[in-house]
Amino acid sequence: EVQLVETGGGLIQPGGSLRLSCAASGFTVSSNYMSWVRQAPGKGLEWVSVIYSGGSTYYADSVKGRFTISRDNSKNTLYLQMNSLRAEDTAVYYCASLRRGYMDVWGKGTTVTVSS
Amino acid sequence: EIVLTQSPATLSLSPGERATLSCRASQSVSSYLAWYQQKPGQAPRLLIYDASNRATGIPARFSGSGSGTDFTLTISSLEPEDFAVYYCQQRSNWPPGTFGQGTKLEIK
Repeated sequence: EVQLVETGGGLIQPGGSLRLSCAASGFTVSSNYMSWVRQAPGKGLEWVSVIYSGGSTYYADSVKGRFTISRDNSKNTLYLQMNSLRAEDTAVYYCASLRRGYMDVWGKGTTVTVSS
Repeated sequence: EIVLTQSPATLSLSPGERATLSCRASQSVSSYLAWYQQKPGQAPRLLIYDASNRATGIPARFSGSGSGTDFTLTISSLEPEDFAVYYCQQRSNWPPGTFGQGTKLEIK
């Protein structure tokens, strides 16, 4: 069964750092395009970052320079390192695999709350 | 950046009725548009890709149409489980993979 499970969310103070993980099963992370998408409370979906199978990475302007997407092929896991966190980064963070450029498999999400 | 505008913001219908949701792009995205369904407390689910292709396991009552800048998601006869929020997303100008702001489909 194809599955994604996110972990690592929590309550963090403004300016702090957090690393989210997304463990995959049933497929290989390194062979797929993988994305992070977030959803602030009561709001819509916001694309955050993508890593291509070849290793290229891209970011939304709102997180560029603060977030880093990466993967560990040996653990079949995707990561999102989040630094200099702000209140506006508070959201549920989903990882998703892409097929044909669309997000066809999603995790259940992990909640990040940035607050003092 | 391509902006996707969905309408209406909220659609109130009864089970058995036909639902028509719209997504308009600020510039042409060809047919590179998807629709997602999201229920409360759940992750989004891919319904339609490339404007008109149903994703695996999606019932036939869901259909998508359009190209260029104007797209439609149609649910032919609403089932109780269809009441949710629906988002469109383009991949023509990727990244970023922009989403529309969503249409909430609620029970009348």
